[in-house]
Amino acid sequence: DIQMTQSPSSLSASVGDRVTITCRASQSISSYLNWYQQKPGKAPKLLIYAASSLQSGVPSRFSGSGSGTDFTLTISSLQPEDFATYYCQQSYSTLPITFGQGTRLEIK
Amino acid sequence: EVQLVESGGVVVQPGGSLRLSCAASGFTFDDYTMHWVRQAPGKGLEWVSLISWDGGSTYYADSVKGRFTISRDNSKNSLYLQMNSLRTEDTALYYCAKDIERGAAAGFFDYWGQGTLVTVSS
Repeated sequence: DIQMTQSPSSLSASVGDRVTITCRASQSISSYLNWYQQKPGKAPKLLIYAASSLQSGVPSRFSGSGSGTDFTLTISSLQPEDFATYYCQQSYSTLPITFGQGTRLEIK
Repeated sequence: EVQLVESGGVVVQPGGSLRLSCAASGFTFDDYTMHWVRQAPGKGLEWVSLISWDGGSTYYADSVKGRFTISRDNSKNSLYLQMNSLRTEDTALYYCAKDIERGAAAGFFDYWGQGTLVTVSS
C-alpha cells in the first residue's frame, strides 16, 4: 500500500495568512495526488486534482504543486471559510486508494 | 444537480450484519464507478470499496475484504454495501462517493453524500 503522510497535523493561522500544507507519498505517484477540504459535520469537498488542477468552483487562492513523492497545498490568503481539515489522497494505485491523516487548520 | 443520499446506518451488535444504500440522482449513474469511504468518529478518511460502472469489477480495502460486499442496481440508480461480521472498529460514518471519471475509474471523487452512521456496539 502507498502511505500518505501530511504535515503538519494541525496548524494555527490568521485571516490573510499564506498557508502551506505538505503531503508525502511512500513511493512515487507521479501527479496522481488530490486534495480535499472537510468542514465539521460535512462531507469532504474536492479542491485540487492531479496535483495542480483546480476543481470547478474552487477559489483561485487554492493551489497545488508537486510530483513524485512530495506535494503541497497552498492557500494564498486565508479566508474565514477556509478553516477546516484538509486531506491529501493518492489515486496512482487503485488498490487501495489511500488518504493522508489530515491537517486541521485552526484560527489563531 | 448531483445528489447522493445514503441510508441504512443503525446501531448493531458485534458479529451482526447491515446493508447500506445510496440513492443517486442528477447524473447518468451507470456511466460511473462508485465508491464507499468511511470515517470513524474524530478520525480521518478510509477508502472501503469500489464498483465499476457495470458492476463487473469490485475492490475492497484489506480491512473489510471477505466481510463486506459492494453492489449496484443501475436500473434503480442505487449503490449498496452489505456488511457482515461487523466489528467495533467498523463504527464510522459511511459515505458513498462518485468517481470523477466517466467509464474507467480515476480513483478520486467529485461528489459525496452526507453519510450514514454505523455504530457497532454491544
